[in-house]
Amino acid sequence: DGGITQSPKYLFRKEGQNVTLSCEQNLNHDAMYWYRQDPGQGLRLIYYSQIVNDFQKGDIAEGYSVSREKKESFPLTVTSAQKNPTAFYLCASRGLGDYNEQFFGPGTRLTVL
Amino acid sequence: SQKIEQNSEALNIQEGKTATLTCNYTNYSPAYLQWYRQDPGRGPVFLLLIRENEKEKRKERLKVTFDTTLKQSLFHITASQPADSATYLCALHYGNNRLAFGKGNQVVVIP
Repeated sequence: DGGITQSPKYLFRKEGQNVTLSCEQNLNHDAMYWYRQDPGQGLRLIYYSQIVNDFQKGDIAEGYSVSREKKESFPLTVTSAQKNPTAFYLCASRGLGDYNEQFFGPGTRLTVL
Repeated sequence: SQKIEQNSEALNIQEGKTATLTCNYTNYSPAYLQWYRQDPGRGPVFLLLIRENEKEKRKERLKVTFDTTLKQSLFHITASQPADSATYLCALHYGNNRLAFGKGNQVVVIP
């Protein structure tokens, strides 16, 4: 089955700790995205990558870091510098070319204790 | 500033009726607009895409319109069913293949 997976589904972290969220896709998509969703809010773009070994900051990149060493994988690290990390994190991928939709993973709910 | 507005109040609708959702935007010039469905605790799922030169797009019981003069898209679900209950997100294309999402509009279909 082709798709995009995120793990874990639920994650708990103590304040001051870094944590890495996994995102893997087997759709052969070049572009990958990380969004954050807070209750009653729309999706906000954290980072995106359109090709291996390259990525760009989105609208709310502060306190986050990413890497894109493989086409299939785009992990997101939430660092201790992120002031309000508790949120629902969504990863998406997209084929290159105009007018393509984004395919989303199931999300990871991060709670900082 | 750039803004995408969707109604924050849930739309409660009787089964079989047509649900209509509105997406208004300012300070964007999207080449296309997309609609997604999101169920609680899950990732959004793509429904429809409409390009700036298209007025209307249909897929089964779904219809989307796009008016670039009014800067508005309307999303219709005809013959609504309880299974259509979800939150529907409007998303605008902007620079470098990114999407800007609205906050979503919840639909509740009452049997």
